[in-house]
Amino acid sequence: QVQLVQSGAEVKKPGSSVKVSCKTPGDTFNSYSISWARQAPGQGPEWVGGVMPMSGIVNYAQKFQGRVTITADESTATSYMELTGLKSDDTAIYYCARGPRSGTGREPYYWFDPWGQGTLVTVSS
Amino acid sequence: DIQMTQSPSSLSASVGDRVTIICRPSQTIKNYLNWYQQKPGKAPKLLIYGVTNLQSGVPSRFSGSGSGTDFTLTISSVQPEDFATYYCQQSYRSPPTFGHGTKVEIK
Repeated sequence: QVQLVQSGAEVKKPGSSVKVSCKTPGDTFNSYSISWARQAPGQGPEWVGGVMPMSGIVNYAQKFQGRVTITADESTATSYMELTGLKSDDTAIYYCARGPRSGTGREPYYWFDPWGQGTLVTVSS
Repeated sequence: DIQMTQSPSSLSASVGDRVTIICRPSQTIKNYLNWYQQKPGKAPKLLIYGVTNLQSGVPSRFSGSGSGTDFTLTISSVQPEDFATYYCQQSYRSPPTFGHGTKVEIK
């Protein structure tokens, strides 16, 4: 069973940055896209962006453009999501999730499966 | 962005009941529609992709139907482990977007 393992909870001050990691199975790292989504309390998930490790292509939701950076480190089979300029409404659980296998003709956001266990990011003064 | 509207926002059902959840996107999404199940404190889990295709390991009591702007998730005979929140998600156009969820509770 494929597992994505994320880093632990974070508490941050407004205006600061947070970087969350997502470790994936090393043998298939380059074969699948990785997306990041967040979920505020009582809300549905919201896509932040994604990366295709094989090509390095990254796409972000327009809402987060300029504030988010998503990367993929092949040497450690780990994806990172960094969000800057944190505000209180960035408080949410942040998830990584795998997209379809590359080369299937499907967009990297065609589905999200599996998901990491989630990382709670709390922004508070 | 494509808005996804789910109804109802919550429902109560007894074990064995048939449950139907509706998802309506703000524009046509052809058959680019997925369903997820989320239990408290857990990550979402993919149930159905491409409107009708059950993800591996998902019980056959779950089914999906619809096209365009009107989609349905049906649980033919709801079981105790099915009480959870369900989300639809469109993958027709970036950014992918999710509904606000339907919470299925025990009556």
